[in-house]
Amino acid sequence: AQSVTQLDSQVPVFEEAPVELRCNYSSSVSVYLFWYVQYPNQGLQLLLKYLSGSTLVESINGFEAEFNKSQTSFHLRKPSVHISDTAEYFCAVSDDTGRRALTFGSGTRLQVQP
Amino acid sequence: NAGVTQTPKFQVLKTGQSMTLQCAQDMNHNSMYWYRQDPGMGLRLIYYSASEGTTDKGEVPNGYNVSRLNKREFSLRLESAAPSQTSVYFCASSPSGAAPQPQHFGDGTRLSIL
Repeated sequence: AQSVTQLDSQVPVFEEAPVELRCNYSSSVSVYLFWYVQYPNQGLQLLLKYLSGSTLVESINGFEAEFNKSQTSFHLRKPSVHISDTAEYFCAVSDDTGRRALTFGSGTRLQVQP
Repeated sequence: NAGVTQTPKFQVLKTGQSMTLQCAQDMNHNSMYWYRQDPGMGLRLIYYSASEGTTDKGEVPNGYNVSRLNKREFSLRLESAAPSQTSVYFCASSPSGAAPQPQHFGDGTRLSIL
């Protein structure tokens, strides 16, 4: 069985400050990791993914995440946040069995203040 | 450019009533999923369908049934609604591939059971 832990339920941060949203996973098989973002009253949108290859993955809007197998982590970082980054962020893991459904963490609400 | 479309967007039911949540995707994806989102718990898988004609239970299937009507449509039915089923329901789809592919989500159905 696989699981995802997002330790921080809320992260307040000032605009233009750096931020890190933490994600740890557990799985007995190969893992594939995702970060999704959810804006109010909307569905989830893919932010970035790790399937294989380089352990550092980047999104088009300045976020990046690093897959660390030894620490079973996939933390999300951004060097300078904007007000528009205010949203809920979900870390998710999928395995390579036939189901390929996602197991989600409980989410982290990022609140960017002016 | 519709992606995944869910109907209705909002619904209020009385305990014991039945209803069907509709989901359709226009991306020619093989796999479709139903999740429920509850505060502080992330998203949990209810049912999934790996291809047309197949369905399988997820983490929280009790009280629900599904139908994969064709490749585009995957419906979720509550036969006798209970207050514990008050939640936001998301449908998602993904293509098949050698590795797990990102899932595309609808905007959700907000369901209240009184």
